[in-house]
Amino acid sequence: ELKVEQNPLFLSMQEGKNYTIYCNYSTTSDRLYWYRQDPGKSLESLFVLLSNGAVKQEGRLMASLDTKARLSTLHITAAVHDLSATYFCAVTGGGGGADGLTFGKGTHLIIQP
Amino acid sequence: GAVVSQHPSRVICKSGTSVKIECRSLDFQATTMFWYRQFPKQSLMLMATSNEGSKATYEQGVEKDKFLINHASLTLSTLTVTSAHPEDSSFYICSALQPGLLLQFFGPGTRLTVL
Repeated sequence: ELKVEQNPLFLSMQEGKNYTIYCNYSTTSDRLYWYRQDPGKSLESLFVLLSNGAVKQEGRLMASLDTKARLSTLHITAAVHDLSATYFCAVTGGGGGADGLTFGKGTHLIIQP
Repeated sequence: GAVVSQHPSRVICKSGTSVKIECRSLDFQATTMFWYRQFPKQSLMLMATSNEGSKATYEQGVEKDKFLINHASLTLSTLTVTSAHPEDSSFYICSALQPGLLLQFFGPGTRLTVL
């Protein structure tokens, strides 16, 4: 059974600080995704990582993937309040259908002024 | 990015009634769509994979007779919650897989409340 674990599940930080969210998964997977969810809203796609060593950056967010360690990180640089949201990582596999996603529990991020 | 719509966005119904939720891909054809459920302050759980022109594939523990999925065209999948009960109250989110791409595009979600 594919399991995806995120930590921390809750993070409160100040603006301007840096922090990293970790995502571990239990079995080999083709792709790893990061999504953002605002309260009461659906998911916004942030990154898709395909291969070992992949690194992608968008603004203050940077995601990386280590397939050997089955670990992905989402790094936040110089956080700003607008980045407050819940962040999910997800991997393909573990479901009955092709490309169905298995999600981590999410990291609820609060960035305080 | 591609657009996926859901209708309705919010529905309140009485226990025992059936509710249909539509998921449409607006600017691409999706042979595969997915249905997820999210309980408050929890993660998303894959319920089923909807395949155009064939039967849906359900995840373990999801009752196929209760959650009817019909993928009648390349742009529309429907989820019908039959004989809904309060424990079915949840946020239902669909996604569509754009052929040739690696992204799933998520709909805005449908919040179901069963009284």
